[in-house]
Amino acid sequence: AQKVTQAQTEISVVEKEDVTLDCVYETRDTTYYLFWYKQPPSGELVFLIRRNSFDEQNEISGRYSWNFQKSTSSFNFTITASQVVDSAVYFCALSLIYNQGGKLIFGQGTELSVKP
Amino acid sequence: KAGVTQTPRYLIKTRGQQVTLSCSPISGHRSVSWYQQTPGQGLQFLFEYFSETQRNKGNFPGRFSGRQFSNSRSEMNVSTLELGDSALYLCASSFGQAAEQFFGPGTRLTVL
Repeated sequence: AQKVTQAQTEISVVEKEDVTLDCVYETRDTTYYLFWYKQPPSGELVFLIRRNSFDEQNEISGRYSWNFQKSTSSFNFTITASQVVDSAVYFCALSLIYNQGGKLIFGQGTELSVKP
Repeated sequence: KAGVTQTPRYLIKTRGQQVTLSCSPISGHRSVSWYQQTPGQGLQFLFEYFSETQRNKGNFPGRFSGRQFSNSRSEMNVSTLELGDSALYLCASSFGQAAEQFFGPGTRLTVL
């Protein structure tokens, strides 16, 4: 069975601090995709990144960066110099490519609160 | 390009009634997935439709059903509503398998 675990339920930081959100996944498939989504208070899930299982290169997009390590089945997300607008619930998700491509398996989410 | 739209945004029903939720995907997207979000269970996959065919189904009772039309618009139906069906129902569209899914604003269903 597949599973995504986000052990951090809530994180609170002060603006300009760096923060890392952890994500650990479980699957026996060798071909899969990993995702991060952001859910602001408005409720709509916003796509942040997709990474396939064959690409372990880290990615940086502005203040956001992602570290994918197959050896530890982790796909962690770091926000550098956090801002109040980063306050939201962040979800990590897993999708198997074959036969279940349209199904996202989500972690429980990490609620990030950035205080001014 | 218009995003995913869902109607209605809010709905209040009573136990035993049925409800139909609608989702219009991003133009050109043929895959539509539905998710239920509750505080206790988090985000759970309901089903996915692609070219009018249900391609995947989550672990929900048969009271939850859906369909997709030739223009890729999708509806989900919940019959014989229970209090536990109160949730935010999210629809997402994508080009195809394992592509990034783009979510709509959701329909907040309250069952009294």
